[in-house]
Amino acid sequence: AQKITQTQPGMFVQEKEAVTLDCTYDTSDPSYGLFWYKQPSSGEMIFLIYQGSYDQQNATEGRYSLNFQKARKSANLVISASQLGDSAMYFCAIDTGSARQLTFGSGTQLTVLP
Amino acid sequence: DAGVIQSPRHEVTEMGQEVTLRCKPISGHNSLFWYRQTMMRGLELLIYFNNNVPIDDSGMPEDRFSAKMPNASFSTLKIQPSEPRDSAVYFCASSSTFTQPQHFGDGTRLSIL
Repeated sequence: AQKITQTQPGMFVQEKEAVTLDCTYDTSDPSYGLFWYKQPSSGEMIFLIYQGSYDQQNATEGRYSLNFQKARKSANLVISASQLGDSAMYFCAIDTGSARQLTFGSGTQLTVLP
Repeated sequence: DAGVIQSPRHEVTEMGQEVTLRCKPISGHNSLFWYRQTMMRGLELLIYFNNNVPIDDSGMPEDRFSAKMPNASFSTLKIQPSEPRDSAVYFCASSSTFTQPQHFGDGTRLSIL
């Protein structure tokens, strides 16, 4: 079975600053994918970024980057130049070769301060 | 391109009634997932289909819940009879290959009175 741990229930960041949201995972499967989703107060789930377990480079998508440290089993999300619209709940998730479904962490509520 | 489409967006009904949630996945996606989100338990997978075939329904809470996927463009999640503890947001998601992300619908906010 796989597990995701997000230890920060809430985070605050000043507008235009960078912020790192922590995510650690546990799986015995050598092949897996790590995902980050954003859920604003309106409720929808928005895909942000993906990292495959065999990817050599850290994933980047615009202002989002994933700090993937395989040996430490961590996949932290870095948001650069925070904007007010980044205020939302952020979920880290994993799926593995043997279990196609996503397992989600408990989420981190990010608040961007003006 | 149209995303995953769920209906209804909101449903309020009395306990004991049958509830049917609907989902249209993204065209070309061959995997479809139903999730439930509550404050207490977070996001949980209920059931997942691949090529219209149910693969894993171990997350379905009990026999009151059933899901079908009669074709590649439509799925339903049915609760009969509904209970207040079924109140939650139900998401449908779809994806293509293993390395592609699951794209979520906007969810159905279900309230059972």
